Amino acid sequence: EIVLTQSPATLSLSPGERATFSCRASQSVSTNLAWYQQKPGQGPRLLIYAASTRATGIPARFSGSGSGTEFTLTITSLQSEDFAVYWCQQYTTWPVTFGQGTKLDIK
Amino acid sequence: EVQLVESGGDLVKPGESLRLSCAASGLTFTKAWMHWVRQAPGKGLEWVGRIRGKSDGGTTDYAAPVKGRFTISRDDSQNTVYLQMNSLKMEDTAVYYCSTFSNGWVWGQGTLVTVSS
Repeated sequence: EIVLTQSPATLSLSPGERATFSCRASQSVSTNLAWYQQKPGQGPRLLIYAASTRATGIPARFSGSGSGTEFTLTITSLQSEDFAVYWCQQYTTWPVTFGQGTKLDIK
Repeated sequence: EVQLVESGGDLVKPGESLRLSCAASGLTFTKAWMHWVRQAPGKGLEWVGRIRGKSDGGTTDYAAPVKGRFTISRDDSQNTVYLQMNSLKMEDTAVYYCSTFSNGWVWGQGTLVTVSS
């Protein structure tokens, strides 16, 4: 099973700042990696798939990069609605696995 | 637009059974690989299992914690996938989502299963 390690566990930033999330895989997942945002009481919302492709309707301030074992999600100029939990997911091999999440909270 | 709608969540006692449904629209369902994912309260996301499209054999795979207790099936005439859950345990308490990959991962809104005595 591929283990995904997200860092940091918590990120405290202010609106307008830049957020950078890391996801490291225990073995190569090529570019079969997705990022999700989840707010309390809601299901996960797909942001990025194939490591760098924005999902339909996702603002351009969200971007993904990386391949192999190292991936990054960047949010430029944080908006108030961006404060949430962020998950990475690999789907290169079964079982599909998720990272443990990074909570983005307001500083 | 692909849409997935889960139903069937309920409060059940340990050892009981429950069947969840997921109705799909906006995709060629017979070819779609359908997945179930769950999230326990306040916890992370866990893949439960998947069923391949008919043209790929319609076979299934399950995560270790549910193997032998849960069964995924599909009715292509109804564009619906099912999750039959037997011998439920308290640790199966979670929101259950169905999901598929169609220009990115698509998820339903989830249905809550609570296992408690």
